[in-house]
Amino acid sequence: DAGVTQSPTHLIKTRGQQVTLRCSPKSGHDTVSWYQQALGQGPQFIFQYYEEEERQRGNFPDRFSGHQFPNYSSELNVNALWLGDSALYLCASSLWGSNQPQHFGDGTRLSIL
Amino acid sequence: GEDVEQSLFLSVREGDSSVINCTYTDSSSTYLYWYKQEPGAGLQLLTYIFSNMDMKQDQRLTVLLNKKDKHLSLRIADTQTGDSAIYFCAETSYSSASKIIFGSGTRLSIRP
Repeated sequence: DAGVTQSPTHLIKTRGQQVTLRCSPKSGHDTVSWYQQALGQGPQFIFQYYEEEERQRGNFPDRFSGHQFPNYSSELNVNALWLGDSALYLCASSLWGSNQPQHFGDGTRLSIL
Repeated sequence: GEDVEQSLFLSVREGDSSVINCTYTDSSSTYLYWYKQEPGAGLQLLTYIFSNMDMKQDQRLTVLLNKKDKHLSLRIADTQTGDSAIYFCAETSYSSASKIIFGSGTRLSIRP
């Protein structure tokens, strides 16, 4: 039973570029949430997708956008990258409406030069 | 607003018990979590407690919840070198699928 998988593991970009990160949820889960973890801090909620729609959003600018596909996998897109976007991006999956906790992937480490 | 606070560092001797404390502000918190993060890794869910519970024990881990004071603690019995990591306290409101609010993490170091 595969858990939450994220790709790529590491990524290096330069300022102004855009990036797409990918997440496959744990088998049986239908909801995907994305978090940004800057160095030395706790993860911050970016947004959550269920039924291919954004359901909740944290305090992140419109440069951060996402998508969920019919197979429940998800993408996080960030445009106009700047140095402050360097972070570990974590994906979590869950089953909408259940009482079971979210499961996290190992994250994508994004470095902006 | 929603906020979760925890101390930044804790150092304990190997074999002793570790107690990591956390306070939160959201009175509608439904689930409270403890996550472990080792260097370069993602988040590992250690344990969680529903807000109508006072205590939960799972092998070496004991979680205590004081809902009146909005205080959560994690006790690790017989702390081992493998317990060295950053521990995050976190909470959600309404349902376990809701956004998770994390603290800044407590770095636990183990002395020989």
